Amino acid sequence: DVKVTQSSRYLVKRTGEKVFLECVQDMDHENMFWYRQDPGLGLRLIYFSYDVKMKEKGDIPEGYSVSREKKERFSLILESASTNQTSMYLCASSPQGQGASGANVLTFGAGSRLTVL
Amino acid sequence: AQSVTQLGSHVSVSEGALVLLRCNYSSSVPPYLFWYVQYPNQGLQLLLKYTSAATLVKGINGFEAEFKKSETSFHLTKPSAHMSDAAEYFCAVTAAGNKLTFGGGTRVLVKP
Repeated sequence: DVKVTQSSRYLVKRTGEKVFLECVQDMDHENMFWYRQDPGLGLRLIYFSYDVKMKEKGDIPEGYSVSREKKERFSLILESASTNQTSMYLCASSPQGQGASGANVLTFGAGSRLTVL
Repeated sequence: AQSVTQLGSHVSVSEGALVLLRCNYSSSVPPYLFWYVQYPNQGLQLLLKYTSAATLVKGINGFEAEFKKSETSFHLTKPSAHMSDAAEYFCAVTAAGNKLTFGGGTRVLVKP
C-alpha cells in the first residue's frame, strides 16, 4: 500500500559530502515536492516539479538541487552538505489539476532524517 | 503573499476532553485550507480540507474545522480526545496559482 517511498529513513553524513535523497511514487502523479521539516518552522518547500525534467525553486532552494529524469522519481541533492542542513526531509506528490498548488492533496513519504556532522 | 500562524506549539489535553487547535491565515485571495496530521515516525496525511463549499468541514477520526472568513481562522476541533490522537498537526493554506504554505505545527499530548 506504500505510495511515496523515500529510500533512506536515517542518514549520517559529514560536512562537505555530496548527499542524494531519493523519492519514488507509484500513483502516476505529475507533481512532486521536497520539503524540509524543522521544529517550530513547520514544512518549508525546497523545490518542486510538475513534469519530467521540469523543476521550480521553492522558498529555500539555496544549497540544494533536484533531478527528475522519470515521472515517478524525484531526487534531492545536497552538493556539499553543511551542518545547517541537518533536518527531516519530506517528499510528496500530487496529481495534476490545479498545478503545483490549488486544492490538490499531497501524499507524503515517511521522511528521511539527515544528520550532518 | 500568504501565511499561516498556529497558536501554541504544544497542547496537552486529557483523554475525553475537547481538542482545539488554532490556525489563522492570511491570503489576498480566497484560500484553500488544509489540516494535516503527522503520527510519530510517519509522513503527513490529510485530515480535512476546505475548498469554498461548506464552511464546516468534517474530516477523519472525528475531527472537524470551521472556516471563518471574518476572523481569517480555520480552527480544528475534536469533541473527545483519544490516546491515538497524540501527533503533530499542521495547518496549511494555498490560493490558486500559489504554493502550499504550512504553519509551524502543534504537537498534541494526550494524558490518560
